[in-house]
Amino acid sequence: DAGITQSPRYKITETGRQVTLMCHQTWSHSYMFWYRQDLGHGLRLIYYSAAADITDKGEVPDGYVVSRSKTENFPLTLESATRSQTSVYFCASSEEVIGEQFFGPGTRLTVL
Amino acid sequence: LAKTTQPISMDSYEGQEVNITCSHNNIATNDYITWYQQFPSQGPRFIIQGYKTKVTNEVASLFIPADRKSSTLSLPRVSLSDTAVYYCLVGDIVNYGGATNKLIFGTGTLLAVQP
Repeated sequence: DAGITQSPRYKITETGRQVTLMCHQTWSHSYMFWYRQDLGHGLRLIYYSAAADITDKGEVPDGYVVSRSKTENFPLTLESATRSQTSVYFCASSEEVIGEQFFGPGTRLTVL
Repeated sequence: LAKTTQPISMDSYEGQEVNITCSHNNIATNDYITWYQQFPSQGPRFIIQGYKTKVTNEVASLFIPADRKSSTLSLPRVSLSDTAVYYCLVGDIVNYGGATNKLIFGTGTLLAVQP
């Protein structure tokens, strides 16, 4: 099915563990984004990618690592999870640098 | 970085027109203004985008004054299904790696539509 998917949808982990959240899109969009959503903060951009092997920091990149070896995938890794990274994470993609972003269903991450 | 400010919540009744304003005093020359709608447990969904003046599509209108320091999303004749959180998004990433606003979302406005 065409679209943008995220996995897992729910994840519980412990402080200090490494966690990778997956994002996959079937449109071959050039741009992909990772956001976190927290009460009182709305959505905040973590990282984005303009194409395969091109990534850049957003507003809140500390503690996160991204890669984009293939156009359709944009995984987000928390190298050593902290409780402050408990959040809902959304992946998005867009065809143009300025244009409609298509969001995935989100991953709810809890760090104990 | 640009900061956007929206009302936390608004109430309306079915059939009314609703206007939600977003303040973005530090908007940069290259920045576009985009509005998204979000229902619980779902990702945001695009509503409308503009740069200046007025933009209209089949679901909403977007008004942007000449100084572009604010924008107003107008929803005509809302229904119960329009109850959601509405976000304005300002910025762009055209200047890759440079000092840009890097896509700043507002904290969202919860619109509650009553019968």
